[in-house]
Amino acid sequence: QVQLVQSGAEVKKPGSSVTVSCKASGGTLNSYAISWVRQAPGQGLEWMGRIIPFLGITNYAQKFQGRVTITADESTNTAYMDLSNLRSDDTAVYYCTRPGAPYSSGFKYAYFRDWGQGTLVIVTS
Amino acid sequence: EIVLTQSPGTLSLSPGERGTLSCRASQSVSSSYIAWYQQKPGQAPRLLIYGASSRAPGIPDRFSGSGSGTDFTLTISRLEPEDFAVYYCQQHGSSPTWTFGQGTKVEIK
Repeated sequence: QVQLVQSGAEVKKPGSSVTVSCKASGGTLNSYAISWVRQAPGQGLEWMGRIIPFLGITNYAQKFQGRVTITADESTNTAYMDLSNLRSDDTAVYYCTRPGAPYSSGFKYAYFRDWGQGTLVIVTS
Repeated sequence: EIVLTQSPGTLSLSPGERGTLSCRASQSVSSSYIAWYQQKPGQAPRLLIYGASSRAPGIPDRFSGSGSGTDFTLTISRLEPEDFAVYYCQQHGSSPTWTFGQGTKVEIK
């Protein structure tokens, strides 16, 4: 089974940007729709967006449009999530996820089967 | 965007009891594409159920999912000590925006 390994915790100042990486081992990211989900302290799960690397397609939640950019490097089997213009309410754990089957399998398998360990991003002045 | 509302917010039960968690969608979820996740403190969520009623590999059969249209249920037949956690539903049939419910905490009574 694939393992998703994320980059380490970050402390950022308001107005700056953060990049979180997600590297897959034991499996590929390229044919899957890789999503990013975040969780603020004591709060629920929030889908931010996704990328389908082999198609070069991205979709973002309306809330994050213009501030989030999700990319992928097929050669290193790594996905990235950039969040800009950080605010204190962006303090959260950020997770990358991989669905149950490749993108071509359709929505039936679009649930999040594999999760990274999470990356804590703290935004503080 | 489909809004998912989970109830109750907190469920207080004793080990061995049956737990019933509800997830209601603001509009019909296509093909019953609802997933359920379990999350324990400090851990990533774990997939339990997908397609409303299919158990993920390795998930004990005391967990079951049901429902269709706008009303879905996760049932834990007999609560084990390790089942006390927060549970989230998620719809995965309305592309390209996925949404989660706000969660139900199952706590020890």
